[in-house]
Amino acid sequence: EIVLTQSPDTLSLSPGERATLSCRASQSVISNYLAWYQQRPGQAPRLLVSGASRRATGIPDRFSGSGSGTDFTLTIKRLEPEDFAVYYCQHYGSSPLFGGGTKVEIK
Amino acid sequence: QVPLVQSGAEMKQPGASVKLSCKASGYTFTTHYVHWVRQAPGQGLEWMGLIDPTTGGTSYAQKFQGRLIVTRDTSTGTVFMDLSGLTSDDTAVFYCARVPRDLRHFDFWGQGTLVAVSS
Repeated sequence: EIVLTQSPDTLSLSPGERATLSCRASQSVISNYLAWYQQRPGQAPRLLVSGASRRATGIPDRFSGSGSGTDFTLTIKRLEPEDFAVYYCQHYGSSPLFGGGTKVEIK
Repeated sequence: QVPLVQSGAEMKQPGASVKLSCKASGYTFTTHYVHWVRQAPGQGLEWMGLIDPTTGGTSYAQKFQGRLIVTRDTSTGTVFMDLSGLTSDDTAVFYCARVPRDLRHFDFWGQGTLVAVSS
């Protein structure tokens, strides 16, 4: 069974800084089936990126996804105040699976 | 129009069952699978199961086999999640979320329903 490991658990950054979030799969996965979500406190998750690198409708271009095989990255170019949240990667093989999440907090 | 709207919070006693609803609107009901995902307080996301609104076919995570039933009412465009044998470990926010046919990501999530299990 595939395991998705996100790192770091917490990222402490200031507004305007660049955030780099990692999602590592325990075995190679199909890039088309890798997605990223943002969850703000008290809200439902929101799709950011699908197919490893396709931004969802309405998502600002400061968010970008990349990677293939076992290593995937979500980059936030310049953090805005509303970007401080928890981010999850997700793969859909035989069933959906989520990583443990990375919290991006204000330094 | 919000694509998925869930029913309100529930408080249940241990051993009870809970039935939540998720009403789809603003899109063709059969174009997306509907999944249930739960999130315990302060924890991550856990996939529970899904239904194909076209056929009514379901698939459940092994962890919930035997106590989770997902159904749908095509006349109202509503999906239901019935979870039995509740324990305090089931205290969580439950989300319905849709996955477009032929794709493998959740493109929209309901607002979530809190289920608190306590004696």
